[in-house]
Amino acid sequence: ETGVTQTPRHLVMGMTNKKSLKCEQHLGHNAMYWYKQSAKKPLELMFVYSLEERVENNSVPSRFSPECPNSSHLFLHLHTLQPEDSALYLCASSPTDVGYQETQYFGPGTRLLVL
Amino acid sequence: QKEVEQNSGPLSVPEGAIASLNCTYSDRGSQSFFWYRQYSGKSPELIMFIYSNGDKEDGRFTAQLNKASQYVSLLIRDSQPSDSATYLCAVREAGTALIFGKGTTLSVSS
Repeated sequence: ETGVTQTPRHLVMGMTNKKSLKCEQHLGHNAMYWYKQSAKKPLELMFVYSLEERVENNSVPSRFSPECPNSSHLFLHLHTLQPEDSALYLCASSPTDVGYQETQYFGPGTRLLVL
Repeated sequence: QKEVEQNSGPLSVPEGAIASLNCTYSDRGSQSFFWYRQYSGKSPELIMFIYSNGDKEDGRFTAQLNKASQYVSLLIRDSQPSDSATYLCAVREAGTALIFGKGTTLSVSS
């Protein structure tokens, strides 16, 4: 596969469930990102990882827990979510996290519904 | 709070017309500017980027940047129904991730 892949593509979970979202990039990039996209809102940056180290965390509730075991893989662990967490979760990557001329390439997203 | 503002639309244009999408940003330190297209239910895909004041053309697309006015726009010439999508403006300064606007929905009628 090429580019940025995400699994699962769709997820329905109850508020007491624990699930994980997975992202994998095949571009040789060193930076990876999680974004949340809700209806009528801008894309919200959640986490930034550079070379497996978290470099930015935008006041995200602790019920979202990221993990970056290596520069190609990024996970988002979910537990005790709320219905307002239902959204499209997008993973992205870029060559580094500091190059202002670098663009970010997005995966297809995981559509999450919390019941 | 760094902000990127876009008119949510919908912007409706007939097939073959020029579509003009606008974006303003609050942070004067912003150094690079990106336009993404997002079809319904899909992820954003990069259309163009621009770093310097002036115009940058790529096929039917032209990006225009005016840093003094903190304004960036995207022109789509000869609009096609397949151009119907939400267009996201994003800005970036060195050392930060992209900051996105809410997007403008474009509808091209045949």
